[in-house]
Amino acid sequence: AQSVTQLGSHVSVSEGALVLLRCNYSSSVPPYLFWYVQYPNQGLQLLLKYTTGATLVKGINGFEAEFKKSETSFHLTKPSAHMSDAAEYFCAVSDASAGKSTFGDGTTLTVKP
Amino acid sequence: SQTIHQWPATLVQPVGSPLSLECTVEGTSNPNLYWYRQAAGRGLQLLFYSVGIGQISSEVPQNLSASRPQDRQFILSSKKLLLSDSGFYLCAWSPGVETQYFGPGTRLLVL
Repeated sequence: AQSVTQLGSHVSVSEGALVLLRCNYSSSVPPYLFWYVQYPNQGLQLLLKYTTGATLVKGINGFEAEFKKSETSFHLTKPSAHMSDAAEYFCAVSDASAGKSTFGDGTTLTVKP
Repeated sequence: SQTIHQWPATLVQPVGSPLSLECTVEGTSNPNLYWYRQAAGRGLQLLFYSVGIGQISSEVPQNLSASRPQDRQFILSSKKLLLSDSGFYLCAWSPGVETQYFGPGTRLLVL
């Protein structure tokens, strides 16, 4: 069985500050890991993903995440927050045996001017 | 390129009425298809997924059902809606177990 825990349902940062959204996963096999973003009343959009290879992955809009197997983590970061980053962010894990992804409960990011 | 469509975009239905939400994918073949529900302020709940025509896996027992009559068509149905069925319904497709591509969603309000 696989699971995802997103620490902090709400995160608030000032514009220009570091963004750190935390995600821990559980998987019995090597996982595929994803971060998605959702703007109000829209579907989810892929930010970045880790499948194999380099553990630091870069995505769209300046976001990046690092896969740390020893910590079972896949935290999302961005050096400098922009007002347009305000949205809900979902971490997800999948593996070939499951045939589907498991999503975390989401973290709402607020960016203050 | 691939696109995913959902309709209707919004729907207001009385309790006890039937439901049919449709999702279609263009530009790919034999996709995995998924239905999720997102209640207000909450995460995504996987309702159904399908790896092929007529193959439906149900994740959560409820009064909803899903069907896949064609390769790229996925339908979510109910015979009698409950108040608790209100929410934002998202359809998604994937080529396998990697990235899921989401539709724009259907906002359902049951009164």
